[in-house]
Amino acid sequence: ELKVEQNPLFLSMQEGKNYTIYCNYSTTSDRLYWYRQDPGKSLESLFVLLSNGAVKQEGRLMASLDTKARLSTLHITAAVHDLSATYFCAVASLDSNYQLIWGAGTKLIIKP
Amino acid sequence: DTAVSQTPKYLVTQMGNDKSIKCEQNLGHDTMYWYKQDSKKFLKIMFSYNNKELIINETVPNRFSPKSPDKAHLNLHINSLELGDSAVYFCASSRETGGAGGYTFGSGTRLTVV
Repeated sequence: ELKVEQNPLFLSMQEGKNYTIYCNYSTTSDRLYWYRQDPGKSLESLFVLLSNGAVKQEGRLMASLDTKARLSTLHITAAVHDLSATYFCAVASLDSNYQLIWGAGTKLIIKP
Repeated sequence: DTAVSQTPKYLVTQMGNDKSIKCEQNLGHDTMYWYKQDSKKFLKIMFSYNNKELIINETVPNRFSPKSPDKAHLNLHINSLELGDSAVYFCASSRETGGAGGYTFGSGTRLTVV
């Protein structure tokens, strides 16, 4: 059974700092997704990572995928208050019939 | 234009009632989904339809019945609502079943059963 673990689940940090959210998964997969959710809002797609070594960057966020380690990271550079949200990773694999299996989410609070 | 639209956005109803949530996508995607997000923000798939055909039906009570009249619509009907059904329900779509092109989510329907 495919399982997805995110850590940390809660992160409070100061503006201007760097930090990384980790997403580990339990079985072979080459499809990993990062989403952002603001309170009471929908899920906004951030990154789709489809191969080992994939790295994508958008603004202060950078995501990478290591399929051999079964690990993806979401790195935040010089955090700003607007990045406060809950971040989810989700994985799809043949084992899950390509349905998305979600991590529990990381609630990120960035203090001015 | 909203890519994946759900109605209603909020739904408050009494236990035992029957209610429906509608979803429409204008992206031309072949696959549509219903997800449930519980009070702890945990997301779980409920159903998946590909071109009007059910392909995933997770362990949900049979009080929940999806209906897809065409590939642009996937509605969710819930019979005999229970307190535990309170959650946010998200509709989503993807170009194909494997989701290599990513998934687009609707704005969610917050269902409260009292």
